[in-house]
Amino acid sequence: EVHLVESGGGLVQPGGSLRLSCAASGFTFSSYGMSWVRQATGKGLEWVSGISTSGGSTFYADSVKGRFTISRDNSKNTLSLQLNSLRAEDTAVYYCARGAAEIDYWGQGTLVTVSS
Amino acid sequence: QSVLTQTPSASGTPGQRVTISCSGSSSNIGSKYVYWYQQLPGTAPKVLIYRNNQRPSGVPDRFSGSKSGTSASLAISGLRSEDEADYYCATWDDSLSGVVFGGGTKLTVL
Repeated sequence: EVHLVESGGGLVQPGGSLRLSCAASGFTFSSYGMSWVRQATGKGLEWVSGISTSGGSTFYADSVKGRFTISRDNSKNTLSLQLNSLRAEDTAVYYCARGAAEIDYWGQGTLVTVSS
Repeated sequence: QSVLTQTPSASGTPGQRVTISCSGSSSNIGSKYVYWYQQLPGTAPKVLIYRNNQRPSGVPDRFSGSKSGTSASLAISGLRSEDEADYYCATWDDSLSGVVFGGGTKLTVL
């Protein structure tokens, strides 16, 4: 069974940084592209970033380009998202998801709150 | 403003058939597979339909998907109270080089 477990969320001040992690199990991690998708409270889903199987190709939404960095460690079955220069509008639940262009499984999410 | 357009709300009574639409363009729906997700209150999204019209195991055959040109639809027949949820369409967009989602449709079972 596919399992995706996010961690690393929390409260951070505007301008601060946070690193999210996603532990994957139940499938061959290195064979799948991966994504991060976020959802602000009461709002819709917003794709944030995606990464290819090897990590050689990365993709970002314009709203986070230059501030967020996606990476993966296939030896540890782990996906990461480094969040820098955080803004209030980055406050959301961040979901780890399997698939870069076609998302078929989601984690339960981790909450990031940007507030002073 | 979402790249994919969905009507914000839909409703039906138990047993009815409801259709949710998703409109895009040639750079997304017109050339890529469409996915549909169901998000029950307080939970993570779950895939209902993949690759336009395929159902994962465990998803009832009351749910069906279709695509025509730059639009896609999700149909739910035999509506049940537990179908009350938010539904999202999604696909890859070649122009944006990213996944795009519809704004979501809140389904109410009256």
